Amino acid sequence: GAGVSQSPSNKVTEKGKDVELRCDPISGHTALYWYRQRLGQGLEFLIYFQGNSAPDKSGLPSDRFSAERTGESVSTLTIQRTQQEDSAVYLCASSLGTSGETQYFGPGTRLLVL
Amino acid sequence: DQQVKQNSPSLSVQEGRISILNCDYTNSMFDYFLWYKKYPAEGPTFLISISSIKDKNEDGRFTVFLNKSAKHLSLHIVPSQPGDSAVYFCAAIDNNTDKLIFGTGTRLQVFP
Repeated sequence: GAGVSQSPSNKVTEKGKDVELRCDPISGHTALYWYRQRLGQGLEFLIYFQGNSAPDKSGLPSDRFSAERTGESVSTLTIQRTQQEDSAVYLCASSLGTSGETQYFGPGTRLLVL
Repeated sequence: DQQVKQNSPSLSVQEGRISILNCDYTNSMFDYFLWYKKYPAEGPTFLISISSIKDKNEDGRFTVFLNKSAKHLSLHIVPSQPGDSAVYFCAAIDNNTDKLIFGTGTRLQVFP
């Protein structure tokens, strides 16, 4: 497949557990973005990578959230000690660069924290 | 502070008629605007965009209008089709940060 893929598609976890979400961007896309959408709200920017560096982490809601990227490939978003308010759809997107190019989104990971 | 606002959470339109989705923004540093369409259980897909140097961009049934002085843009879909039923997100790029800022979305329902 040529699109952005994310795994798992759904994740149910207990409060206090750690979760790891994965994103595979489109091959050749240097920029990778993480967003989340909580129920009834718009898309909320979390972090973006240019290559494997993250110039902008300002959207991460707390220090329980972290993300890393290997080269210009896979990225993982880790949420430690999950809370119920972390329940959301987490979307990943990639683009060729960061100068306004169209971002292509994955299908998202639906996270439910009980 | 919501910099990109879609004040209508939902819109219902009859098939064949025009759908008009509105979006307002507050940051004058935004210089590029995009509309995304999102079906349930899927990621948003890019629909159409417009640069701040233009006031209109048309692609088939979709036209985006930009009024910079009013900080307002709109997406027109004509004629509307049932397959257009989805959530539409307006987004803007801040030319200082290259960050894409999304609105809260408008759910469009096109009925036969």
